[in-house]
Amino acid sequence: DQQVKQNSPSLSVQEGRISILNCDYTNSMFDYFLWYKKYPAEGPTFLISISSIKDKNEDGRFTVFLNKSAKHLSLHIVPSQPGDSAVYFCAASRGRAGTASKLTFGTGTRLQVTL
Amino acid sequence: DSGVTQTPKHLITATGQRVTLRCSPRSGDLSVYWYQQSLDQGLQFLIHYYNGEERAKGNILERFSAQQFPDLHSELNLSSLELGDSALYFCASSVGAGPPSADTQYFGPGTRLTVL
Repeated sequence: DQQVKQNSPSLSVQEGRISILNCDYTNSMFDYFLWYKKYPAEGPTFLISISSIKDKNEDGRFTVFLNKSAKHLSLHIVPSQPGDSAVYFCAASRGRAGTASKLTFGTGTRLQVTL
Repeated sequence: DSGVTQTPKHLITATGQRVTLRCSPRSGDLSVYWYQQSLDQGLQFLIHYYNGEERAKGNILERFSAQQFPDLHSELNLSSLELGDSALYFCASSVGAGPPSADTQYFGPGTRLTVL
C-alpha cells in the first residue's frame, strides 16, 4: 500500500523556468512533509519541509505548498537551474505515533533541467 | 558529504548467503535509521536505533536484524538472502530520537546489494 505517491516518474524543464513536482498521500495522520533531493551515487539530502499547520513554506528558490483537503503537496523550484537535475523524493511522517521517527517515502521524480 | 558513512559501497553475493552492512553516523548523532530502496520503489523504513536501543521497527523481514553498538555505529545483518533482497540500503542518522519535524535525518551514500 503506497501511502505517498509521486505519479510522475520524470520531468523535463528548461533552465530558468519553473519546476513543479507533485506528491499525493493517502494517510490523513501524516502531519509533517519533507522533500529530499538525490544525486546519483549519493544518499538523499534534505531540501525543505512543511508542517500540516501551514500551507506554504519557502526557502530561497524552493517553495512547498500543502493542500490538506486534497492530500496533495507540491514543490516549486524557481528559477530552475541545471544543478537542480536530480531525483526528488517526497516523504511524510506522523509526529505523534509510536513510530514517529519513521519517514514514508514516495517513489521519486527525476527532474532534468535542460539548457 | 552528509557525514554518514556506509561500507561497503557495493556487495555482490549469492542466494542463501549472509551479509553485514555497516553504518557510522555523523559525529554527535545518537540515532541510526535503516532504509531499503528496491528497484522503482521509494525508500522503505526498516528500523531505528537510538543510543543502542531499538526505537521503531518497520516492515523488516525476520531474516534481517540490526544493532547499534556502544560507539554508535550500526550493522544491518541480512541472512538467507533471496534475489528479491537486491536493493540499495541506506543508513541515516540524526541527533535525537524525535520526529522528523524536530530531528532532520541525514543519509549516507548507501550500499548496493546484488544477490545472484
